[in-house]
Amino acid sequence: KNEVEQSPQNLTAQEGEFITINCSYSVGISALHWLQQHPGGGIVSLFMLSSGKKKHGRLIATINIQEKHSSLHITASHPRDSAVYICAVDSGNTPLVFGKGTRLSVIA
Amino acid sequence: NAGVTQTPKFQVLKTGQSMTLQCAQDMNHEYMSWYRQDPGMGLRLIHYSVGAGITDQGEVPNGYNVSRSTTEDFPLRLLSAAPSQTSVYFCASTYGALNTEAFFGQGTRLTVV
Repeated sequence: KNEVEQSPQNLTAQEGEFITINCSYSVGISALHWLQQHPGGGIVSLFMLSSGKKKHGRLIATINIQEKHSSLHITASHPRDSAVYICAVDSGNTPLVFGKGTRLSVIA
Repeated sequence: NAGVTQTPKFQVLKTGQSMTLQCAQDMNHEYMSWYRQDPGMGLRLIHYSVGAGITDQGEVPNGYNVSRSTTEDFPLRLLSAAPSQTSVYFCASTYGALNTEAFFGQGTRLTVV
């Protein structure tokens, strides 16, 4: 079974700061997902990537397949970015395996 | 498309009661899964299905049953609720096994007293 580790578990930042959340996994994968969950809310997909880098607005996701590592970056953070960010890996023909999440609080 | 529709959003049960959490998707997705989310544990897989008529157990299947009679629907049944099943439940669906975006239901907050 793939083991997915996220760091940090909790993160507090000042508005405008650059934020990095890390995800590492133990077994080779076909794709990695970054998800966002707001307090009391549902889960939405931010990115799905299998190589390289993707960018959407102020969010950037990168993955290094050889090192089994991915990062989610948030530039110019804002209080509305406060949420739990979850990494999930897709090993192919098996359901997603999730990390425990990183709780981000951005303070104005 | 409505995406993934999960009901109810909140439910309180007494120990020993049964109930069914409903999950439906209108995207013709093959893969559907049920997860529970507990504090500090992340999302854990209960049961999943790779297509109509096919289901399999996940990491924490005890106390839960599923069926997949159609592509669209994947209900989760609690046969005899226990306080340990107090959790937030999410249904998810994807088109296929590889490299497809995952869609989630809104979640069900279940309390068993």
